[in-house]
Amino acid sequence: GDSVTQMEGPVTLSEEAFLTINCTYTATGYPSLFWYVQYPGEGLQLLLKATKADDKGSNKGFEATYRKETTSFHLEKGSVQVSDSAVYFCALSDQRGYNKLIFGAGTRLAVHP
Amino acid sequence: EAEVAQSPRYKITEKSQAVAFWCDPISGHATLYWYRQILGQGPELLVQFQDESVVDDSQLPKDRFSAERLKGVDSTLKIQPAELGDSAMYLCASSFDSSSYNEQFFGPGTRLTVL
Repeated sequence: GDSVTQMEGPVTLSEEAFLTINCTYTATGYPSLFWYVQYPGEGLQLLLKATKADDKGSNKGFEATYRKETTSFHLEKGSVQVSDSAVYFCALSDQRGYNKLIFGAGTRLAVHP
Repeated sequence: EAEVAQSPRYKITEKSQAVAFWCDPISGHATLYWYRQILGQGPELLVQFQDESVVDDSQLPKDRFSAERLKGVDSTLKIQPAELGDSAMYLCASSFDSSSYNEQFFGPGTRLTVL
């Protein structure tokens, strides 16, 4: 079945460092891809999405490009802030049924001053 | 800004007891989802509604879990009897419809602890 694999955390960075969180997927067909963020004590929020190959999703300085040839959707940010500390989830939509989301295990990011 | 509401936020119960969680989706959203998130893992879909109909409950443990969305608006998820392994965060989400292009909006979740 469809699945998502993320790099394990925690990822610990200094403020203004470059961030990459790797995400690869296995899917039948052409799923939409998403990054969700979960801040402490809150629900999941959509960070960005891409619906077809070579699309780039971007929001709040974060970017991810849908790479069909490598089945990847890596999350990047050029300069992280302490406020970016959260858990980040990569997900795909399962297009065989009713587009439920299939999530990776999540990657915890901790940014220190 | 419209939000998905869930209650209670926290629930502690003893095993073999019954528990129920409530979700009120964003107004006008036809699709409602219940996910379970075990600590350290990503959310996993338990059940999906399109209006009042269940369209996916393949991962719902039907011997103890039930879900309903009687008028196609708010929804209740019930567990009876609760087991230790049910301790998790239960997340409700809604979307305008089931298209993959439509964002799923998540509520704050209900954290269940079974003792």
